[in-house]
Amino acid sequence: KQEVTQIPAALSVPEGENLVLNCSFTDSAIYNLQWFRQDPGKGLTSLLLIQSSQREQTSGRLNASLDKSSGRSTLYIAASQPGDSATYLCAANDYKLSFGAGTTVTVRA
Amino acid sequence: NAGVTQTPKFQVLKTGQSMTLQCAQDMNHEYMSWYRQDPGMGLRLIHYSVGAGITDQGEVPNGYNVSRSTTEDFPLRLLSAAPSQTSVYFCASSYTTGAVNTGELFFGEGSRLTVL
Repeated sequence: KQEVTQIPAALSVPEGENLVLNCSFTDSAIYNLQWFRQDPGKGLTSLLLIQSSQREQTSGRLNASLDKSSGRSTLYIAASQPGDSATYLCAANDYKLSFGAGTTVTVRA
Repeated sequence: NAGVTQTPKFQVLKTGQSMTLQCAQDMNHEYMSWYRQDPGMGLRLIHYSVGAGITDQGEVPNGYNVSRSTTEDFPLRLLSAAPSQTSVYFCASSYTTGAVNTGELFFGEGSRLTVL
């Protein structure tokens, strides 16, 4: 069974600092890995999807890397802003998506 | 651009009552799924479908029923509600490659259910 772990569970940084969020998964036979953002009381918003053949994906200030062999993905958010405060979840897709518990980020103004 | 629409957004039930959570998507996605999100448990897959007429169980299917008669709709039925089913329910959809969900997963806003 795929196990997905996100460390740390919570993170607080001052505005302008770069964010590094980690995701690890136990079974490397995945089709893709997806990063989501969830605001309190809201649904999940897709941020980046990395296919198994890719090493990274970028969208604006966001960059996600994927290392299947080591079972790791990292989400980088450059120059964080208070509006980046949210919970970030990763999900590994090996036919069924398995989600991590998320990292709750607070960006202090 | 409706995306994935869930109704109702909030619902309170008494133990033993039944109800249906509705989910509709307008992106012509073959893959649709239902998750529940509980504090400390993360998101868990209840049921999923890779096309009309095809459904399968996820991680926590007991107490829930689904059907998929059209590409657009994927309702989730609670047969006899229990307090353990108090949760936030999310519907999600994506495109598929063959019968495998390989696309970007899009979520609805959630349905918050309380069972007394």
